Amino acid sequence: SQQGEEDPQALSIQEGENATMNCSYKTSINNLQWYRQNSGRGLVHLILIRSNEREKHSGRLRVTLDTSKKSSSLLITASRAADTASYFCATDTGFHTGANSKLTFGKGITLSVRP
Amino acid sequence: GAVVSQHPSRVICKSGTSVKIECRSLDFQATTMFWYRQFPKQSLMLMATSNEGSKATYEQGVEKDKFLINHASLTLSTLTVTSAHPEDSSFYICSARGDPGKKGGYGYTFGSGTRLTVV
Repeated sequence: SQQGEEDPQALSIQEGENATMNCSYKTSINNLQWYRQNSGRGLVHLILIRSNEREKHSGRLRVTLDTSKKSSSLLITASRAADTASYFCATDTGFHTGANSKLTFGKGITLSVRP
Repeated sequence: GAVVSQHPSRVICKSGTSVKIECRSLDFQATTMFWYRQFPKQSLMLMATSNEGSKATYEQGVEKDKFLINHASLTLSTLTVTSAHPEDSSFYICSARGDPGKKGGYGYTFGSGTRLTVV
């Protein structure tokens, strides 16, 4: 079953603008991860934020996590045409070293960045 | 970083035949591997989780006899779609996870996916 729900489902912006994508989930988590998928390709891990963290940065990416609201946001600053892809949030409910952890993906957001 | 190789990238098969998809961790030991299915413009749905040397754990609604998973070594897991039908056409993606503290560690590394078309 799906855990995360992203919004918007589709986002179209101009190159140079910032893109903000949101994800909500239902159960307690160990960490939340964001992935990128180019059409017909595998997933690329972007960033992981643990349940005890509130904000994390990686290059042009900024992710926030609000466990009280069970929500996360991914911000891509100064977007580029090459950022065009689908973005998924995924929640990991297992313990750090637990064998039972697995990722549950949201529905995904299609981001189009116009040159 | 950790690399997972998935083959083939595309396969077309006739209805009723079986297809095997391989997922290899190239530079780390994958104690756990995951198989996902993705329909066009949809999310990834977990099909099963396999630990090396033991039987796979299937998600609810996934037919064990149709989707055979073998995780015989720490670097290889295979998914066999048996007696494939057109409705099995989909994008299948594997993911591998190693031991914390080792290369590949706790993170999930994904293969590039296999596009299966059953005609």
